[in-house]
Amino acid sequence: NAGVTQTPKFRVLKTGQSMTLLCAQDMNHEYMYWYRQDPGMGLRLIHYSVGEGTTAKGEVPDGYNVSRLKKQNFLLGLESAAPSQTSVYFCASRTGVGYEQYFGPGTRLTVT
Amino acid sequence: TQLLEQSPQFLSIQEGENLTVYCNSSSVFSSLQWYRQEPGEGPVLLVTVVTGGEVKKLKRLTFQFGDARKDSSLHITAAQPGDTGLYLCAANDYKLSFGAGTTVTVRA
Repeated sequence: NAGVTQTPKFRVLKTGQSMTLLCAQDMNHEYMYWYRQDPGMGLRLIHYSVGEGTTAKGEVPDGYNVSRLKKQNFLLGLESAAPSQTSVYFCASRTGVGYEQYFGPGTRLTVT
Repeated sequence: TQLLEQSPQFLSIQEGENLTVYCNSSSVFSSLQWYRQEPGEGPVLLVTVVTGGEVKKLKRLTFQFGDARKDSSLHITAAQPGDTGLYLCAANDYKLSFGAGTTVTVRA
């Protein structure tokens, strides 16, 4: 099993450009999450999904959109990137039972 | 959203020394998790504590959940360079709320 994978690993965008980050998990997990991690601020939840076809806002959703068309995939979109979105983005998933979250390796995004 | 405060923010010690990091909140936790994150990687779960007063041991790591379930601590005995990393606590709900973390550096 690959666990949780994220694509791409690194990306540089110019202000105003758009992009999509892909998260895939092969553990048949119901719940999936997108976080951003900034120095001194820990992990902050952007959006999450409790099942295929469902999404919900987290702590810092503005400027991001998500979709969960397939159970194994969770996409994070930036429609018009801003320098404030420079961060490391982590995807995570878990089963519907228990609380352990499995994290991907992260995507480092820089917006200039 | 529960506010989790972790202290200290940074900790640098010599190999063989002991260390303790703390996680506190004004709210009561239903349960709490500790994760360790190494540079360039995602966090990895170390332990979940559920019962007030609970103590769990994982080799040289000891985790304690406060009696009132508002605080937790992680104690490392005889730290090794491999213990270096960012230690994060997280409070459980259907989603996790993370503290800002403690960066631990163990010098050889």
